[in-house]
Amino acid sequence: NAGVTQTPKFRILKIGQSMTLQCTQDMNHNYMYWYRQDPGMGLKLIYYSVGAGITDKGEVPNGYNVSRSTTEDFPLRLELAAPSQTSVYFCASSFYGTENQPQHFGDGTRLSIL
Amino acid sequence: AQTVTQSQPEMSVQEAETVTLSCTYDTSENNYYLFWYKQPPSRQMILVIRQEAYKQQNATENRFSVNFQKAAKSFSLKISDSQLGDTAMYFCALTLNRDDKIIFGKGTRLHILP
Repeated sequence: NAGVTQTPKFRILKIGQSMTLQCTQDMNHNYMYWYRQDPGMGLKLIYYSVGAGITDKGEVPNGYNVSRSTTEDFPLRLELAAPSQTSVYFCASSFYGTENQPQHFGDGTRLSIL
Repeated sequence: AQTVTQSQPEMSVQEAETVTLSCTYDTSENNYYLFWYKQPPSRQMILVIRQEAYKQQNATENRFSVNFQKAAKSFSLKISDSQLGDTAMYFCALTLNRDDKIIFGKGTRLHILP
């Protein structure tokens, strides 16, 4: 199994540009999450989804949008990129009700807005 | 390679007691950050406390405090006056200053008993 796959790994955007961070998992997990991690800081939840067709805001949703049309994919959309969105973005997934392990994390996308 | 080890798979304490969760890690880097995350059932990772490796002073956050022993590569979490809402999985994690990856321990399931 590939686990959680994020693309791209690195990206530089200009202020005002848009892009989509891709996330896909092949573990048939119901729950998927997008976090951002600023340098030296902890994870902050942007959006999450408990299943296909269902999404909810996390702690820092402003400036982002998500969709969950399939169980496998959970793309994160940045509209009108701003310097404050420079961060490392992590996608994660988990089984419904899993309590025995951390969420499965992707390798992260380092995004710089210039 | 970096590793994080949590040696206590499960713990139970009575409400209002103090409990300490153990974590050891291994890295050859000098610049890194350590975190404790709480994961309630089927919920996202919630940052409990963070510690910068270059700071000798132990981090505290209300009822939560850490005992950071850099030479011993130990990073334990103390929860004082434990509450029923503290029941969750707790994960110790390490992030390098230069890296995008988050390395998690296997977690400690904490039960606070009424």
